[in-house]
Amino acid sequence: AQRVTQPEKLLSVFKGAPVELKCNYSYSGSPELFWYVQYSRQRLQLLLRHISRESIKGFTADLNKGETSFHLKKPFAQEEDSAMYYCAPPFSGGYNKLIFGAGTRLAVHP
Amino acid sequence: DADVTQTPRNRITKTGKRIMLECSQTKGHDRMYWYRQDPGLGLRLIYYSFDVKDINKGEISDGYSVSRQAQAKFSLSLESAIPNQTALYFCATSGDRRDGYTFGSGTRLTVV
Repeated sequence: AQRVTQPEKLLSVFKGAPVELKCNYSYSGSPELFWYVQYSRQRLQLLLRHISRESIKGFTADLNKGETSFHLKKPFAQEEDSAMYYCAPPFSGGYNKLIFGAGTRLAVHP
Repeated sequence: DADVTQTPRNRITKTGKRIMLECSQTKGHDRMYWYRQDPGLGLRLIYYSFDVKDINKGEISDGYSVSRQAQAKFSLSLESAIPNQTALYFCATSGDRRDGYTFGSGTRLTVV
């Protein structure tokens, strides 16, 4: 079965510090991976997709097939980045059935 | 107006009761999903539907059933609620790959 691991339940940093939220997956095919974010009292929303190689709100995510990782990075954290972050690779070769990691709570302190 | 709406937002029910959670969407998406969120476990897929006639079980479908009444409506039922079904339930839809999933605001269910 496909699995996704987000090893940190909580990541606590100070404003301006670099951030790396880790995500490792087990998948045999060519994955299409997503990061979702949930701000306090808001619904989950798509943050970014690896296939588009985009940078959203200063975040980037690089797919490393050798390490089967899709870590989310930001060079300078802001207080408004505080949220729950979920990594989501697909179940089995498609976009249609996402599984989610357990999530990492990012707390950015002033 | 929200494009994926879940009702109710909060519900407390007793063990053994039947309860239905409703989801409606104005996105025009064919694909709809029900997830539950538990602390430390993330989101787990309960059921999903790719169109009105296509309904599939997810990771944790035992104790749940669904109904896709129309393209826009996808309901989740707990036939006989039990305390370990206490969780936050999310409905989601998907359309074009570029858009990702659109989530509802969630239903917080407590079974006592």
